[in-house]
Amino acid sequence: GAVVSQHPSRVICKSGTSVKIECRSLDFQATTMFWYRQFPKQSLMLMATSNEGSKATYEQGVEKDKFLINHASLTLSTLTVTSAHPEDSSFYICSASYLNNEQFFGPGTRLTVL
Amino acid sequence: GENVEQHPSTLSVQEGDSAVIKCTYSDSASNYFPWYKQELGKRPQLIIDIRSNVGEKKDQRIAVTLNKTAKHFSLHITETQPEDSAVYFCAASITNDMRFGAGTRLTVKP
Repeated sequence: GAVVSQHPSRVICKSGTSVKIECRSLDFQATTMFWYRQFPKQSLMLMATSNEGSKATYEQGVEKDKFLINHASLTLSTLTVTSAHPEDSSFYICSASYLNNEQFFGPGTRLTVL
Repeated sequence: GENVEQHPSTLSVQEGDSAVIKCTYSDSASNYFPWYKQELGKRPQLIIDIRSNVGEKKDQRIAVTLNKTAKHFSLHITETQPEDSAVYFCAASITNDMRFGAGTRLTVKP
């Protein structure tokens, strides 16, 4: 139980384009979903927290107009990186939670912006 | 907000030895402390967790201890095996706000 999927697993795009990443909880309804970014050899940095049907809460320093988060249902959240640039290249991981603070992580999306 | 510090950043042990990773947290309201193992390019995998009403928890070769007074928790791996080699992250959480330590790269030499 508590499986989280993420799509795509890997994406390469040109600078200036937008990329959408989907995060789904497959066998449970997630009250809250989280988006993290992880640079090589670094820790997971929380970007934003989202609850179904409400606006995401962004961490300080994360541009909400650049990283658009939509959490339209209890099983789906999307992260759109708008006008991507090479410095946005990173490993993006989502997680989902439904009780007791436990978070279940997706497999991650490796974004490379050329 | 919560701040989690993790030490050491790298740890190399001989197969069969024990490994200990230590974390401290800043917010006394934190009540959930998971440990994750992450292999290169993969998702973090929960290996053990502990809540603030418990001082110690063990699962086979893995144990975690929590000292709420000192705001300190540790991961202990006994009888290490080469497949234990990975990056380990501690985290501290209040409700749904989880913060991670910087990670420890554990290498187990055969």
